[in-house]
Amino acid sequence: GQQVMQIPQYQHVQEGEDFTTYCNSSTTLSNIQWYKQRPGGHPVFLIQLVKSGEVKKQKRLTFQFGEAKKNSSLHITATQTTDVGTYFCARTQGGSEKLVFGKGTKLTVNP
Amino acid sequence: DAGVTQSPTHLIKTRGQHVTLRCSPISGHKSVSWYQQVLGQGPQFIFQYYEKEERGRGNFPDRFSARQFPNYSSELNVNALLLGDSALYLCASRYHGGPEAFFGQGTRLTVV
Repeated sequence: GQQVMQIPQYQHVQEGEDFTTYCNSSTTLSNIQWYKQRPGGHPVFLIQLVKSGEVKKQKRLTFQFGEAKKNSSLHITATQTTDVGTYFCARTQGGSEKLVFGKGTKLTVNP
Repeated sequence: DAGVTQSPTHLIKTRGQHVTLRCSPISGHKSVSWYQQVLGQGPQFIFQYYEKEERGRGNFPDRFSARQFPNYSSELNVNALLLGDSALYLCASRYHGGPEAFFGQGTRLTVV
């Protein structure tokens, strides 16, 4: 199956700084999902983007889907220590419920 | 409401042994998927079941098998364990057609 590439692999920020993670695909995506996994925890669904150029906001989190539907980003404004964790993008495949995850971006926040 | 529950939470097995992992989906969810997550990687799809039928299989050897029961709970079986099978095994349930996969806390399997 087609993979999704995430960058950066790691990101360390000072509390209050912004953070962005990027997800890229070589093929057009039908949709993209974002999950957050806290240390020692399990993935938790954040959002699904479906439409070209879509932008969705959840408080300090802004999610974008590229115009060509080949890339997506998650931006966190003014990070807090509660934002610590690994953020994964995931694509569905073949109209099934199978999720193909990126390798994730691990965010650490220095208080 | 209870979320997705998995048992056991931790397990240590010896190479060559067999293991059975269990998952109970959220009430009303008929779709269950299994994922393997090795340290530092994203979850990798193993199986998906819906209404007791296998709907998808990932790129895993035949040592991995699964089934779903009439109450929609599921088991993942792994035979002839290898050291490389050490991972967090995640179960996810989904309301059919819904976008969100709800993950359980996982079973941490260590093969020694």
